[in-house]
Amino acid sequence: KQEVTQIPAALSVPEGENLVLNCSFTDSAIYNLQWFRQDPGKGLTSLLLIQSSQREQTSGRLNASLDKSSGRSTLYIAASQPGDSATYLCAVGDNYGQNFVFGPGTRLSVLP
Amino acid sequence: EAGVAQSPRYKIIEKRQSVAFWCNPISGHATLYWYQQILGQGPKLLIQFQNNGVVDDSQLPKDRFSAERLKGVDSTLKIQPAKLEDSAVYLCASSSPRDRGKGYTFGSGTRLTVV
Repeated sequence: KQEVTQIPAALSVPEGENLVLNCSFTDSAIYNLQWFRQDPGKGLTSLLLIQSSQREQTSGRLNASLDKSSGRSTLYIAASQPGDSATYLCAVGDNYGQNFVFGPGTRLSVLP
Repeated sequence: EAGVAQSPRYKIIEKRQSVAFWCNPISGHATLYWYQQILGQGPKLLIQFQNNGVVDDSQLPKDRFSAERLKGVDSTLKIQPAKLEDSAVYLCASSSPRDRGKGYTFGSGTRLTVV
């Protein structure tokens, strides 16, 4: 059974810092991995999707990497802003890409 | 492309009452999911539909939760009777097997408070 963990559980940084969020999964037989952002009381917004054959994906100040063999993904946020404050969740897609298992999330606070 | 629609946005009920949530997925998305997200935790899959058939409901508390997806489009999730521990955000998501590399699209969720 796939299990997904995220470290750290919470992170507080000053504005402008570069930061890395970590996601680990136990079963490397994945189809893809998706990073989401969740604002308090809101639904999930997709940030980046990495296919199992890819090593990384970039969107603006965000870069997600995937090391399937070691069961790890990282989300890199460059030049953080207060508007980046949210919970970041990673979700691992099973071998059919039709069922995702979520991690518990990392709660990020970017201080002005 | 319209997103995944959910209603109501918020619901407060007393324990032992019943409640129903509605979801309208993205047009053409055959796969629909209901997730439960308890405060401070990641979403947990309750049930997955492929068209109007159930693919996975292994984590659905079937003594009190039920879900249906008539005609393979809209879906409703019902809780009867509700317990205090059912307080959570209920998220609906959809995807297309033809676009399985594109991941999920989520609705805004329904926040349920059981008092």
